[in-house]
Amino acid sequence: GAVVSQHPSRVICKSGTSVKIECRSLDFQATTMFWYRQFPKQSLMLMATSNEGSKATYEQGVEKDKFLINHASLTLSTLTVTSAHPEDSSFYICSARGRQGRGTEAFFGQGTRLTVV
Amino acid sequence: GEDVEQSLFLSVREGDSSVINCTYTDSSSTYLYWYKQEPGAGLQLLTYIFSNMDMKQDQRLTVLLNKKDKHLSLRIADTQTGDSAIYFCASGDDKIIFGKGTRLHILP
Repeated sequence: GAVVSQHPSRVICKSGTSVKIECRSLDFQATTMFWYRQFPKQSLMLMATSNEGSKATYEQGVEKDKFLINHASLTLSTLTVTSAHPEDSSFYICSARGRQGRGTEAFFGQGTRLTVV
Repeated sequence: GEDVEQSLFLSVREGDSSVINCTYTDSSSTYLYWYKQEPGAGLQLLTYIFSNMDMKQDQRLTVLLNKKDKHLSLRIADTQTGDSAIYFCASGDDKIIFGKGTRLHILP
């Protein structure tokens, strides 16, 4: 299957700093990327959907100024957690879907474990 | 909003079959998915079924879909220790909505 690479896999940062997480589709053009957040022993919560070249669409309750999403190219989307706080500590996962559009498989990255101290 | 429900835990003896059940609300979803998540890892797509199918079999995996009842199940035949993981049911086309995941525990 297609490969989605997410980097870094783990990051520890100090409270108040910003952290950038990258999501790359390695062998296909990802017209749509999704960012999820997973709390311990819970499901994945969709944070936002981004289409290449457009502003991201955020789910209700997700602060767009805190979680900045950029999808500037067909192979890269970034999530920046700004002014991180301990409650932002979580597992963040991206997924990417290709040009075939709706209903096609979305491929997932391996996730990023963010710890804010 | 759309919702996906599944039981949280399942314990099965090694060699037996595991059946994980799921209900969903999005009747317009073209595809329904089963994902596997091993500890500390991302998600791996196990299988998916097109909404106009009743059943799909892929080696040890059998997916059954009852579209009328909006019920999806995943059967893993001859369950092995390597099957120990969390299994997520998911639905959706534009946005994929996940259930909370079923943690499959294998008993010796």
